[in-house]
Amino acid sequence: GESVGLHLPTLSVQEGDNSIINCAYSNSASDYFIWYKQESGKGPQFIIDIRSNMDKRQGQRVTVLLNKTVKHLSLQIAATQPGDSAVYFCADALSLGGTSYGKLTFGQGTILTVHP
Amino acid sequence: EAQVTQNPRYLITVTGKKLTVTCSQNMNHEYMSWYRQDPGLGLRQIYYSMNVEVTDKGDVPEGYKVSRKEKRNFPLILESPSPNQTSLYFCASSFRRTGWDEQYFGPGTRLTVT
Repeated sequence: GESVGLHLPTLSVQEGDNSIINCAYSNSASDYFIWYKQESGKGPQFIIDIRSNMDKRQGQRVTVLLNKTVKHLSLQIAATQPGDSAVYFCADALSLGGTSYGKLTFGQGTILTVHP
Repeated sequence: EAQVTQNPRYLITVTGKKLTVTCSQNMNHEYMSWYRQDPGLGLRQIYYSMNVEVTDKGDVPEGYKVSRKEKRNFPLILESPSPNQTSLYFCASSFRRTGWDEQYFGPGTRLTVT
């Protein structure tokens, strides 16, 4: 992830709409990527992950897209619900060789607000 | 219940007074990590541990120490806290070094250094 300043990007959507949250990462060597959701007053919660040998992965109502050429990651949430309101973070990890991961770098985060 | 616990949850202290924030997980996870979260800066990794007696620096290790003597515990030590270490701290753990699968986060410790 990369820092883009003191003000978090925000995304405001209506309930039922699809949401797309974007993230740029800076380390071209990163080969594992994760999206987290953080609700107010809580620790981050894993949503979905993707490895660099993939460009798309789907979960339940969520899809992660990876574009390694431009170092861009996105999280798509289908039929967004008020309970999806939270801060969303992307994170990237660097393989230590083989399949071992150590350091994890988080993006700044995006605030998603879902209006009923 | 599978969980990561941190203590204390809230702490106000003064500059230079050594403190330890404890972290414990009951999931037999190999990997544990500490993060700090500051407004506008997101989560930054302080230290991580791949297994017992194996620790390494994250992005912001200065002013912190860690130890991993047992698999379940990963305390964060501030030998001489300073006001710039005022932050929200999260401990996390995950099962495999070979992938993240799911990294479980603790509830957070809000530290204020005056």
